Amino acid sequence: LAKTTQPISMDSYEGQEVNITCSHNNIATNDYITWYQQFPSQGPRFIIQGYKTKVTNEVASLFIPADRKSSTLSLPRVSLSDTAVYYCLVGFTGGGNKLTFGTGTQLKVEL
Amino acid sequence: DTGVSQDPRHKITKRGQNVTFRCDPISEHNRLYWYRQTLGQGPEFLTYFQNEAQLEKSRLLSDRFSAERPKGSFSTLEIQRTEQGDSAMYLCASRPTGSETQYFGPGTRLLVL
Repeated sequence: LAKTTQPISMDSYEGQEVNITCSHNNIATNDYITWYQQFPSQGPRFIIQGYKTKVTNEVASLFIPADRKSSTLSLPRVSLSDTAVYYCLVGFTGGGNKLTFGTGTQLKVEL
Repeated sequence: DTGVSQDPRHKITKRGQNVTFRCDPISEHNRLYWYRQTLGQGPEFLTYFQNEAQLEKSRLLSDRFSAERPKGSFSTLEIQRTEQGDSAMYLCASRPTGSETQYFGPGTRLLVL
């Protein structure tokens, strides 16, 4: 599975937009990009998934440039409750679809 | 609540003892996964079931670890002769056919003394 690189931590304030970028230089043709969120002492929670261009849901947007070597998770108007670890995963979703997590980005939102 | 459930949520045991964890996936999810997570790290894949068949095991899953899903519904993960290095959060996830999303349970936190 393609290795991902993302910032270890980010700080923000309530109401701001947060963009977390993930690098995945050796992404394969059939790989998808998926983001999960994890709160302390809880299992990860699916946020969004995309293959190319832009994907938006009620929680976030995912921007993927044409070369797909990076992606950006955008969280609009964050609140304190968005403080969590965010994981970027890249992989083929067929077959077993085991997930390979990195160390993630610890997002801290303050007042 | 129809999410993935895990039991127990916490387990403290002494080195050398056996422990067993249970995972109840979301109903009708035919794929079930076990992961292990240590402090400050992301979850690591351990094993995967499609219905009752165990289709893949990580090299992390030593001979002391065994997982079953006898009827294709709930699953158990057993660790024999626990070691202090087994202390971690053990996460279970399930996924339905045709979906790419894995739904995680709350995890079982194991502490081996």
